[in-house]
Amino acid sequence: QSALTQPASVSGSPGQSITISCTGTSSDVGGYNYVSWYQQHPGKAPKLMIYEVSNRPSGVSNRFSGSKSGNTASLTISGLQAEDEADYHCSSYTSSSTRVFGGGTKLTVL
Amino acid sequence: LQLQESGPGLVKPSETLSLTCTVSGDSIGSRPYYWGWIRQPPGKGLEWLGTIFYSGSTYYNPSLKSRLTISVDTSKNQFSLKLTSVTAADTAVYYCAEELRVSFDYWGQGTLVTVSS
Repeated sequence: QSALTQPASVSGSPGQSITISCTGTSSDVGGYNYVSWYQQHPGKAPKLMIYEVSNRPSGVSNRFSGSKSGNTASLTISGLQAEDEADYHCSSYTSSSTRVFGGGTKLTVL
Repeated sequence: LQLQESGPGLVKPSETLSLTCTVSGDSIGSRPYYWGWIRQPPGKGLEWLGTIFYSGSTYYNPSLKSRLTISVDTSKNQFSLKLTSVTAADTAVYYCAEELRVSFDYWGQGTLVTVSS
C-alpha cells in the first residue's frame, strides 16, 4: 500500500490559519470517513487531534478542525500559536482493512 | 489508560525483534477495541505495522506480513509484536497504541530499537 501524500512542510505566522492536505485514493481517504490526524512534538509520542475526518477528542482545542473532499483530507489550524509548531501526520483506513499513514508535515510557526 | 513498550533496544541483523506492550488502567479483555503497533524510523514518518482485536483477529501491513506476528495475552494485559529477519531498515522507534474508531487514541511513549551487529 502507498503512503498518503502530505506536503513536507508548511509555515505560518502567529494568529494566522494554515491548512495541511492529505491525499490518498478512493480505496482509502476517499472511500471511508476514517481519517485521523496526529500532532507530534520532537521526541514525543504522537497525539490524536482529529478522528473520523472532523471530530475532536475531548481536550483538543477547537482551533483544530478537519474536513475531506474526494480523496483529499485537510487539517486546518486557526489562530496559530507557537505551541502548534510540530509534525502532523494523517492516517486512513483502507479497503484492505489496513491502515496507512501519510509522510508527515512539519509545521513552522514563524 | 497507559501503555508501555518493553523489549531489547538492540537486535542483530537476521534475528527476531520482540516487543511487548503492557496496558494499565483497564483490562484488555473487557474492552472490545483494537490494539496497534506503529513505528517511526529516525527522521521519518509513521508506519502502521499491524493491529489486533482483543479477541485475536489480526490485520497486518502487507509489506511486513510475511515477517510480522502480533498476539494478545489478556491474562497479562499485554499484546506483543514479533518481527523476524530484521535488517537495518527495521531500526525505528516502535509505538504501541489503543485503536478506537480506526484512530490511535492512546499511545505508549515509544521504544527505540536499533538493528546492528
